Amino acid sequence: NAGVMQNPRHLVRRRGQEARLRCSPMKGHSHVYWYRQLPEEGLKFMVYLQKENIIDESGMPKERFSAEFPKEGPSILRIQQVVRGDSAAYFCASSPPRKSPLHFGNGTRLTVT
Amino acid sequence: DQQVKQNSPSLSVQEGRISILNCDYTNSMFDYFLWYKKYPAEGPTFLISISSIKDKNEDGRFTVFLNKSAKHLSLHIVPSQPGDSAVYFCAANGNAGGTSYGKLTFGQGTILTVHP
Repeated sequence: NAGVMQNPRHLVRRRGQEARLRCSPMKGHSHVYWYRQLPEEGLKFMVYLQKENIIDESGMPKERFSAEFPKEGPSILRIQQVVRGDSAAYFCASSPPRKSPLHFGNGTRLTVT
Repeated sequence: DQQVKQNSPSLSVQEGRISILNCDYTNSMFDYFLWYKKYPAEGPTFLISISSIKDKNEDGRFTVFLNKSAKHLSLHIVPSQPGDSAVYFCAANGNAGGTSYGKLTFGQGTILTVHP
């Protein structure tokens, strides 16, 4: 049973470009969460999605960031017009539709040059 | 506004001894607590959790203690092994019975090094 799959593992973007991060949850998991870890900090919640629905986006920056979890395919975290401060590790996690600890992917490390 | 704090950035322990990692929280609404372990270049891996209705939960070498009056929890690892060397994150959630139980507030992490 494959775990949470994130790609790419590393992504380099120049300032002003767009970054697209993908996450395929574990089989049977319908809840997806995105977290961001800045250097020397803990993980910070960004957004919680179920299929075709954004349930809680209280941790998302107001501008340039968006997330989706379509009926078919992976969840996508999209960052438009990236800036240096967006450089971080972005982790996706999934869980089944019941109270259960999150399973995390290995993250995408975004570097903005 | 750091609602979950791990005040020790690092901890060094001899193999076979006990490792004690500490975590403090400020939000009284938190009622479910977890510990995650993270190796470099990997995602966090769930270790153990505790609900606020308990004050202790044990799983093999790992025990978590919760002191609600002090808003403090700790993770005990005994005996410690070199493979336990990793970053340990404390996390909390305040949605008992709710649906957003994956919305966690993490501490900054403690780097544990276990020497052979």
